[in-house]
Amino acid sequence: EVQLVESGGGLVQPGGSLRLSCAASGFTVSDNYMSWVRQAPGKGLECVSAISGGGNTYYGDSVQGRFIISRQNSKNTLYLQMDGLRPEDTAVYYCARGGMMDSRTYAFDYWGQGTLVTVSS
Amino acid sequence: QSALTQPPSVSGSPGQSVTISCTGTSSDLGIYNRVSWYQQPPGTAPKLIIYEVSTRPSGVPERFSGSKSGNTASLTISGLQTEDEADYYCGSYTRSNTLGVFGGGTRVTVL
Repeated sequence: EVQLVESGGGLVQPGGSLRLSCAASGFTVSDNYMSWVRQAPGKGLECVSAISGGGNTYYGDSVQGRFIISRQNSKNTLYLQMDGLRPEDTAVYYCARGGMMDSRTYAFDYWGQGTLVTVSS
Repeated sequence: QSALTQPPSVSGSPGQSVTISCTGTSSDLGIYNRVSWYQQPPGTAPKLIIYEVSTRPSGVPERFSGSKSGNTASLTISGLQTEDEADYYCGSYTRSNTLGVFGGGTRVTVL
């Protein structure tokens, strides 16, 4: 059974940093396209970063230069390092398998439960 | 403002059919059959219900169906059930954004 479990969210001051983790089970992270999708309170979905099975990384304009996506194969875990956080980064962050560039489905086929990041002074 | 346009809400009675539209441009829906739909009940994570315009993942009921014509994709829920109350989002691959784009979401209410 595929499972994704996020952790690492919390309250942080503007300009601060957080590292989100996504522990995967039931499949191998490094064999798959993986993404981070966020949802601001009461708003829609936005994919902010992705990493291909080959290790290519992608970022949205809103987080380019501030966020870094990575993975640790030995732990089958995906990460999102978030620096220079802004109030507009406040959102639930979901880890998802796949992405709209993933030729398997061109979709996000499994999602974690999400972790809330709040950026406020 | 979302890149794909969805109606904010639709509603129907149990057993009826409802259709949600998702309008894009010649950079996304107009040239790619890479449309996906997600169901998000209140307080939960999104769930994939349709990919590549009309393919249902295993376990998704047949009453959910997808289609596309030109720059507009559609999700139809036939035989509406109370558990179908949720927000629904469309998504698509696009030439202008490597990560793809989503619609703003549609709230489905079962009367």
